[in-house]
Amino acid sequence: QKEVEQNSGPLSVPEGAIASLNCTYSDRGSQSFFWYRQYSGKSPELIMFIYSNGDKEDGRFTAQLNKASQYVSLLIRDSQPSDSATYLCVRFGNEKLTFGTGTRLTIIP
Amino acid sequence: GAVVSQHPSWVICKSGTSVKIECRSLDFQATTMFWYRQFPKQSLMLMATSNEGSKATYEQGVEKDKFLINHASLTLSTLTVTSAHPEDSSFYICSARGNPPPGHSYNEQFFGPGTRLTVL
Repeated sequence: QKEVEQNSGPLSVPEGAIASLNCTYSDRGSQSFFWYRQYSGKSPELIMFIYSNGDKEDGRFTAQLNKASQYVSLLIRDSQPSDSATYLCVRFGNEKLTFGTGTRLTIIP
Repeated sequence: GAVVSQHPSWVICKSGTSVKIECRSLDFQATTMFWYRQFPKQSLMLMATSNEGSKATYEQGVEKDKFLINHASLTLSTLTVTSAHPEDSSFYICSARGNPPPGHSYNEQFFGPGTRLTVL
């Protein structure tokens, strides 16, 4: 089982709708997670990090962490075409980042 | 704040030659730098971790004699791909971690823009 698993997509969402990205992880002891966005040919950009159970909101983005279910998600409200990218779920542990394979999101105008 | 640069942004070289990639933290001191590799349609894979003034720690399966890492100062780390071959063609990305700017987590890594290496 991979340490961090994501559905590779592609996930297509109409402009203005909510995009929901999901991630599961195998190490129950994992404490912190990051969501990064990566445009084609570019390096990752940090969207937000979360380390407590529950929701964390930052603008149009909401990250959710459920440690009992070993599940992390990212919601993007009012999706914009510029949100089209690959979204990487990243686990922080042992001083290292472990990247999921990413979910490709396409926002349809 | 927390800007990381890489040079060059892309490089094409002949098989058997060596290529050096620089990673610089421009506005903060990077106590730790990380080197990643990303093949097409795959995620980032950590190659090695380096702390300033210490030898790099390589991930399993990464040849330390082939991928030479130097982290001689708090603002510069270099990755040298020795005797490069076509299978080394990839997107190499560095990241840096240090005293974070306000509003950022200590655990956050700041990524460089990446270097695309093509070995002919």
